[in-house]
Amino acid sequence: KNQVEQSPQSLIILEGKNCTLQCNYTVSPFSNLRWYKQDTGRGPVSLTIMTFSENTKSNGRYTATLDADTKQSSLHITASQLSDSASYICVVSESGGYNKLIFGAGTRLAVHP
Amino acid sequence: GAGVSQSPSNKVTEKGKDVELRCDPISGHTALYWYRQSLGQGLEFLIYFQGNSAPDKSGLPSDRFSAERTGGSVSTLTIQRTQQEDSAVYLCASSQNYGYTFGSGTRLTVV
Repeated sequence: KNQVEQSPQSLIILEGKNCTLQCNYTVSPFSNLRWYKQDTGRGPVSLTIMTFSENTKSNGRYTATLDADTKQSSLHITASQLSDSASYICVVSESGGYNKLIFGAGTRLAVHP
Repeated sequence: GAGVSQSPSNKVTEKGKDVELRCDPISGHTALYWYRQSLGQGLEFLIYFQGNSAPDKSGLPSDRFSAERTGGSVSTLTIQRTQQEDSAVYLCASSQNYGYTFGSGTRLTVV
């Protein structure tokens, strides 16, 4: 069964600190991996998307890495801000057919002052 | 429109009633998806539309759930004879190529 597992389930950090969120997947055949940010009461918003050949991609203070051999990805947040408090969702797309996405359960991040 | 619009944003209904949720995708996006997000859970795929047809409806949990899309644009998700376990946030997304854009969802509460 294609799965996407994220850790930790939740995380609390102090404003200004860095953190790294983890994602392991078993989706095959693999097309691409995305990280989304979901604020409470809102739909997910795309942060990064990486294909098989990409190892890292940055979007401001967010940097995602991908190791397609070990089927692992991470999202690193630098110099966290209060507005980073949200759920971060790892999503893997199957190749072939249409663009079907497999969602992880997310990591809930709380940034405290 | 500029984004994916869903309505209503919140819906409280009595068990056994039918509900209809609406999604207005980004203009020109041919692909449309419905997902369900239960509290503390990941997004669960329900159905995928390409134009007006639904090549993948494998995620619909029961025959009480149905969806349609007309004119390659607006989609409605209908839940008949709602049950308490149907309570969740229902998210719609539209896509063109690799980009996905989500709506803000409809929070459905069945009491």
